[in-house]
Amino acid sequence: EIVLTQSPGTLSLSPGERATLSCRASQSLSNNFLAWYQKKPGLAPRLLIYGASIRATGIPDRFSGSGSGTDFTLTISRLEPEDFAVYYCQQYGSSSTFGGGTTVEIK
Amino acid sequence: EVQLLESGGGLVQPGGSLRLSCAASGFTFSSDTMTWVRQAPGKGLEWVSSISGGGATTYYADSVKGRFTISRDNSRNTLYLQMNSLRAEDTALYHCARQYGAYWGQGTPVTVSS
Repeated sequence: EIVLTQSPGTLSLSPGERATLSCRASQSLSNNFLAWYQKKPGLAPRLLIYGASIRATGIPDRFSGSGSGTDFTLTISRLEPEDFAVYYCQQYGSSSTFGGGTTVEIK
Repeated sequence: EVQLLESGGGLVQPGGSLRLSCAASGFTFSSDTMTWVRQAPGKGLEWVSSISGGGATTYYADSVKGRFTISRDNSRNTLYLQMNSLRAEDTALYHCARQYGAYWGQGTPVTVSS
């Protein structure tokens, strides 16, 4: 089983600041099958990024994904008030696993 | 518009069974892998199971392997999750998702308790 480790656990930032979230895989991901999701209480998860760096339909360009192999990053260039949430990475392709999540909270 | 509507959740005793359903619309259901993901209260997302478009290939998390069975009826555009030998740790909100998470339903709650 591929284990995904997200860091930090919590990121305390102010609106307008840049957020950098990390996801590290226990083994190299074939085809960079790595996705990022935003999760807010009471709502279904929202796909942000797939294929490590491809923005999903309708996702603002302040969200960007990068990385390959075992190290991946989600960057939010300038935090908007609605971006404060929990973010998960996921590896997929046959079986799948999620990381433990990073909470982006208002400082 | 893609729509996914889960049903079948509820309260069940440990050792009991439930069958969840997910009715899909707005896309060519038979072409897509479908997935179940759960979130226990206060916990993160956990991938449960996925099934290929034709239904021939299935994948399970170790935590449910041998107890849960994923299946689909492409003539009814419906995904299923048969859950047997339920445990307290299976208590969660269960979501179905198109592919591995491109679109999600709102989820159906499952509580395993005596």
